[in-house]
Amino acid sequence: NAGVTQTPKFQVLKTGQSMTLQCAQDMNHEYMSWYRQDPGMGLRLIHYSVGAGITDQGEVPNGYNVSRSTTEDFPLRLLSAAPSQTSVYFCASRPLQGRYGYTFGSGTRLTVV
Amino acid sequence: AQKVTQAQTEISVVEKEDVTLDCVYETRDTTYYLFWYKQPPSGELVFLIRRNSFDEQNEISGRYSWNFQKSTSSFNFTITASQVVDSAVYFCALSESGQFYFGTGTSLTVIP
Repeated sequence: NAGVTQTPKFQVLKTGQSMTLQCAQDMNHEYMSWYRQDPGMGLRLIHYSVGAGITDQGEVPNGYNVSRSTTEDFPLRLLSAAPSQTSVYFCASRPLQGRYGYTFGSGTRLTVV
Repeated sequence: AQKVTQAQTEISVVEKEDVTLDCVYETRDTTYYLFWYKQPPSGELVFLIRRNSFDEQNEISGRYSWNFQKSTSSFNFTITASQVVDSAVYFCALSESGQFYFGTGTSLTVIP
């Protein structure tokens, strides 16, 4: 049981480049989320999905795009990378019921130069 | 207003000292859930504990204990006889109405 798999672990982008962070879970969780973690700011929600075909914006959605074509996959796209998007990104999944906590991926450290 | 407040940004203790990490939450729901996560220097986020709003019993797991008090809307985490391996960032989180809210984390450094 792999849990939540995120790739890549590290990435350096030039300003203006685009890329996709991959996230896959094998626990049949309905709920998937993308967070970014910046020093002193904790975890901020970027986008989330409550099931295949359904996505919604979180606290800091600008500059990011998501899709959820299957229950398992929830990729995060950076449309035109900016230095302000330098961060650590976490994908997480959980059952729909709020009593269950998240299972997190191992994170992606992204640097935009 | 913050739904989850972790007022302690950074804490340093000497090994074997006890340390308590504070977590205060805000909710109007009667049914909610509280969580603690640990993020060691390696960076992954590890689930530690979940508590539901109807269970105010304290929980103890080895050197870790949690004190849930609805009267003060607090869910504090105590590490007894701290060890260097406890050095990490600890996040408290609230789940209500299907939404999750994280605190900003407390960075704990245990000095050998």
